[in-house]
Amino acid sequence: GAGVSQSPRYKVAKRGQDVALRCDPISGHVSLFWYQQALGQGPEFLTYFQNEAQLDKSGLPSDRFFAERPEGSVSTLKIQRTQQEDSAVYLCASSLGGLGYGYTFGSGTRLTVV
Amino acid sequence: KQEVTQIPAALSVPEGENLVLNCSFTDSAIYNLQWFRQDPGKGLTSLLLIQSSQREQTSGRLNASLDKSSGRSTLYIAASQPGDSATYLCAVRHGRGSTLGRLYFGRGTQLTVWP
Repeated sequence: GAGVSQSPRYKVAKRGQDVALRCDPISGHVSLFWYQQALGQGPEFLTYFQNEAQLDKSGLPSDRFFAERPEGSVSTLKIQRTQQEDSAVYLCASSLGGLGYGYTFGSGTRLTVV
Repeated sequence: KQEVTQIPAALSVPEGENLVLNCSFTDSAIYNLQWFRQDPGKGLTSLLLIQSSQREQTSGRLNASLDKSSGRSTLYIAASQPGDSATYLCAVRHGRGSTLGRLYFGRGTQLTVWP
């Protein structure tokens, strides 16, 4: 596609619910990233895929967070048993894969846990 | 750990002024630096990407410089317009090591340009 597409744009979850956030990267982009942005802060790294391989998941804040990219294109970020501190904007980005390439970000999913 | 700082945190100026936004980073072993714009409730739009071997990049009224050895970058906006109002974020990427895939962001400079 022309850009990175994320869905849903907004999600309200009751505390304890599971949520799944989807990212559709630019076609042909090998690298895919998830970031979490709290209000008034810069984005913080969560995890990174090269094709279907998850190369770095050290930014995931707890074992309630899980990400996958089974066929090397669409990715899903799942949060189990959501807590209020999970409320944030979740941003997905993709890149052609080489070090010299920049990142293209999606519009994000705003998650509010009530 | 890489720390990225942006100064000022907020800036409010009248239309037409030339502006300088500052970004500093603690670990100079970066591969590139990218400036983004973020509008309220929106994602990030890439403005300029500077490789570590470059000194500056230009796009229209925007010019970004990089001094890797001193850990600094500046974003220069010429003849500012109300449409430039947004938050500007600076991010650096490392070229090697376990953190190869990630960007380190500052907290941004919130710019308001009034008519």
